[in-house]
Amino acid sequence: GQSLEQPSEVTAVEGAIVQINCTYQTSGFYGLSWYQQHDGGAPTFLSYNGLDGLEETGRFSSFLSRSDSYGYLLLQELQMKDSASYFCAVRDPARLTGGGNKLTFGTGTQLKVEL
Amino acid sequence: GAGVSQSPSNKVTEKGKDVELRCDPISGHTALYWYRQSLGQGLEFLIYFQGNSAPDKSGLPSDRFSAERTGGSVSTLTIQRTQQEDSAVYLCASSKKGGANSPLHFGNGTRLTVT
Repeated sequence: GQSLEQPSEVTAVEGAIVQINCTYQTSGFYGLSWYQQHDGGAPTFLSYNGLDGLEETGRFSSFLSRSDSYGYLLLQELQMKDSASYFCAVRDPARLTGGGNKLTFGTGTQLKVEL
Repeated sequence: GAGVSQSPSNKVTEKGKDVELRCDPISGHTALYWYRQSLGQGLEFLIYFQGNSAPDKSGLPSDRFSAERTGGSVSTLTIQRTQQEDSAVYLCASSKKGGANSPLHFGNGTRLTVT
């Protein structure tokens, strides 16, 4: 099976940089994704890393190291609207070849941005 | 274009009653997923559809839960003889295909409360 670990909570001030870490244990690996969810809202896709290295999208970047089974989401120039929960997620490789496509999510990191 | 639509947005039911939750995916998306999220928790996978077939039902918690998808579009999740532990937000998501890097687009969910 899959398991992912993230910090439960992170607090930072507006304008700062914050890093949310994710470590995973899987029987195979098909990429690490990140989703953002505001309170009461729907999760929205942020980024995907299939290969090692950094992917940048505006103020958000995501990094993957497959050899370390580790990734992180980096948020720069934090804004109050970035206060949300952030989830890392991996595919279930055991299911891919069988036609399944289960995406397993971590328990989420609640980011609080303060003035 | 229109996103994933779920109805009802809120449902309160008495223990022992049956409920049906509906999901309208984004047009053209062949993959459809159901997840469940309890308060402050991560996303728990329930079932995955590719077209009208469900190659992965591994997350359905009991035989009281069932889902179907017709016409490669609308999906219905049915919970029979509801229990209080079924109270959660039920999220539906769709993606263009089931590939490893195909992002999920989530609806706003149905908040189910079993009294």
